[in-house]
Amino acid sequence: GNSVTQMEGPVTLSEEAFLTINCTYTATGYPSLFWYVQYPGEGLQLLLKATKADDKGSNKGFEATYRKETTSFHLEKGSVQVSDSAVYFCALSDLDPLNSGGSNYKLTFGKGTLLTVNP
Amino acid sequence: KAGVTQTPRYLIKTRGQQVTLSCSPISGHRSVSWYQQTPGQGLQFLFEYFSETQRNKGNFPGRFSGRQFSNSRSEMNVSTLELGDSALYLCASSLYGGRENIQYFGAGTRLSVL
Repeated sequence: GNSVTQMEGPVTLSEEAFLTINCTYTATGYPSLFWYVQYPGEGLQLLLKATKADDKGSNKGFEATYRKETTSFHLEKGSVQVSDSAVYFCALSDLDPLNSGGSNYKLTFGKGTLLTVNP
Repeated sequence: KAGVTQTPRYLIKTRGQQVTLSCSPISGHRSVSWYQQTPGQGLQFLFEYFSETQRNKGNFPGRFSGRQFSNSRSEMNVSTLELGDSALYLCASSLYGGRENIQYFGAGTRLSVL
């Protein structure tokens, strides 16, 4: 089946440090890839996405490149801020291999990585 | 445009009771998905509805059910609640739920089962 593996947290950085959160995936088809962010007490917000190999998603200084050859979608930011403190989820959208027929796409998430940025 | 609205935000129930959660998607969105979020299992897919039909279902017992109305609003129901059902339940809507569709999430309903 489909799965997403992302680096275990928590990750603690100082303001202006470089951030990398690793994400690799296993999929039966050709998935779209996403990074979502969850701030305390809130739902998930889309951070960025990529729909085909070598696509680079970017938003708010965050970037991730869809690497089909290494099945990876690592999240990076050159200089983190205190306001970036949140939980980050890597996810893929692909046909559910257990549910054939129809357009049965679903999101499969990684476990999430808690990022804390200290001033 | 209003976002995804989930009601109620918080619920406290006791074992054996049943509960109904509500989700109003973004206007024009026809696909609604439900997820359960717990510290141990993370985010797990419950089911997806599109045009009032359940199109996909995750690996949850039959106590978990849902439906979608003609205006795309969705409800999920959990019967005979167990302690392990305590979780944040998230609803997400998208235009049609395809491969590239972005899912927009509500703030969730936090269910505590005592």
